Amino acid sequence: GENVEQHPSTLSVQEGDSAVIKCTYSDSASNYFPWYKQELGKGPQLIIDIRSNVGEKKDQRIAVTLNKTAKHFSLHITETQPEDSAVYFCAAIRSGTASKLTFGTGTRLQVTL
Amino acid sequence: NAGVTQTPKFQVLKTGQSMTLQCAQDMNHEYMSWYRQDPGMGLRLIHYSVGAGITDQGEVPNGYNVSRSTTEDFPLRLLSAAPSQTSVYFCASTSDRRGNTEAFFGQGTRLTVV
Repeated sequence: GENVEQHPSTLSVQEGDSAVIKCTYSDSASNYFPWYKQELGKGPQLIIDIRSNVGEKKDQRIAVTLNKTAKHFSLHITETQPEDSAVYFCAAIRSGTASKLTFGTGTRLQVTL
Repeated sequence: NAGVTQTPKFQVLKTGQSMTLQCAQDMNHEYMSWYRQDPGMGLRLIHYSVGAGITDQGEVPNGYNVSRSTTEDFPLRLLSAAPSQTSVYFCASTSDRRGNTEAFFGQGTRLTVV
């Protein structure tokens, strides 16, 4: 089955700096890679995703990159703000298996003033 | 539009007790899943369903049962609670229409087994 590794487990940045979270996956058949943000006491929420036919995707201050050859994908957050503080999860999935997301172990991002 | 509703939000059980965690979605999604979240381990798939009447095991199914009699509801049953089942449980509902895949999560159920 799929295995997703995520690093770092904790990340502290100053407000305004950039944050990068990296994930690797094992199943070359995986073709959809979402990122979820989980705030304290809440369920994860999708913030951005990327499909295997795309190398990069941006949405305002967040971007995701994908290297299919190396089986790496990364989340980039620029101009971080205190409200970006949360736990971020990467995930990988193969088309047709929408109920079977495989998640990374999570990164706790702390944005300090 | 409520999305995914989980009940209860908190529960304390004694070892050996049974209980059912409720999950309901109002988005007419065909896929539903149960995950448990433990520190340092991310979210692990317990059971999932690809439609009413169809369920299957995920990564960590032991000690749990599910059923999917309707599209909307996907309850998770703990047959005989054990301390190892202390965790936060999340139900998710997913649509995979026209390649648009997004999982919507409930608020979670924090379960403690003593």
